[in-house]
Formats: sequence, structure tokens, C-alpha cells
Amino acid sequence: KAGVTQTPRYLIKTRGQQVTLSCSPISGHRSVSWYQQTPGQGLQFLFEYFSETQRNKGNFPGRFSGRQFSNSRSEMNVSTLELGDSALYLCASSLGWAGNGYTFGSGTRLTVV
Amino acid sequence: TQLLEQSPQFLSIQEGENLTVYCNSSSVFSSLQWYRQEPGEGPVLLVTVVTGGEVKKLKRLTFQFGDARKDSSLHITAAQPGDTGLYLCAAITQGGSEKLVFGKGTKLTVNP
Repeated sequence: KAGVTQTPRYLIKTRGQQVTLSCSPISGHRSVSWYQQTPGQGLQFLFEYFSETQRNKGNFPGRFSGRQFSNSRSEMNVSTLELGDSALYLCASSLGWAGNGYTFGSGTRLTVV
Repeated sequence: TQLLEQSPQFLSIQEGENLTVYCNSSSVFSSLQWYRQEPGEGPVLLVTVVTGGEVKKLKRLTFQFGDARKDSSLHITAAQPGDTGLYLCAAITQGGSEKLVFGKGTKLTVNP
């Protein structure tokens, strides 16, 4: 069974640009969550989508947005990039309840210069 | 304030030694999860503990959930270089918005 696939694996962008990251969950998983991981803050929750609806949202500015498609694939977008947005962005999928545990992708390493 | 406090932050030991890492909170959780993350990869779920006082074993790894369901520990016996990684505990927040929050992790290095 294929795992969670995130693309691209690495990305370098310039301040002020925008970026779109993609996540394909495990087949049958309807929930997709996004996290930002940095050395100083650890894993910080961005948002969760379930059946194309945003179900939960973390404490990030409106520059961070996401969406989920009918096939459960998800994208997250960051507009007007700042240096501080440099991080590993992780996507996790689950059947629908966090208590079952998440399966994570390998992440997208975003560097903003 | 971090909901889940993990200690120690860093741990470097020799192969064959035993170790324990801790995950503490002032909140009560319905369940708690442990993940291990290797460099360049996403976290991988190791175990979920649900009942206060519960002990689960996964080969050389022993996980315990506190009686009051506020804390947990992970004990590794006879550590091996393959155990090297970032160990993360995670719990579901209570009340309204259900989401999985993580501690900052314990970075373990096992030297041959």
C-alpha cells in the first residue's frame, strides 16, 4: 500500500514569492493534516482537512492556506514568503480520527532566501 | 507554553546502554502517541497508549502511560545505533477543536 507522498521534496524560493506544496494521502484516508517543523519550535499544527472541508486550524497567519480535493489529495499554499517560513513542511493522513495515529510523508524542505 | 514537555532535549549514549525519555503535561489526555523521526524523513508512529498505568512493549522499547494520564515515558534497553533519531510524543487536544499536538522531542544519538 503506497504511503503518503509529498512533492516536491526540496524547494528554494525568494522572499515575497508564493509556493504550493502537494500531498497525496494513503488510499482510503480522508483526513490530511499539515505541520511546520523547525528546530526551535518543533512540529506546529497548520490545519486539517477532512472530506474537502477545513476541520481544524492552527495559529498561523492568513498567508498560509490549504485545500483538499475530492480524491483527498491536499495542497497548501504560502503567499508572500518570509525568511522565517523556511522549514520542513509535513503532511499526515489518517482515516479521520487523530487517536488512530497519523502516517506522515517525508516532507517538503522549503528554503526562503 | 508548550502543552507537552519532553526531557531530556538531547541524549548521547554508547551502544548497549539503557535510557529513559519523558513526556509531561499538566493536562489530562485520553491517549498519547509516540513517534520516531529519522533525518530527512517524517515521523513514524511507534505506539498509542490509552489507559492510565498502561505499559506497552515493542521489542527493546517500553512505553508507559502515567496513572493520571498526564505523562508518559519511553525506556530503551540495550540501545543500538539504529535507535538514533528524534523521539516525539503527541496528544489530542481537548475541548472543541480536536488536533494532534507534539512535544519538541528528544534527540537521541547512540554511538557504536
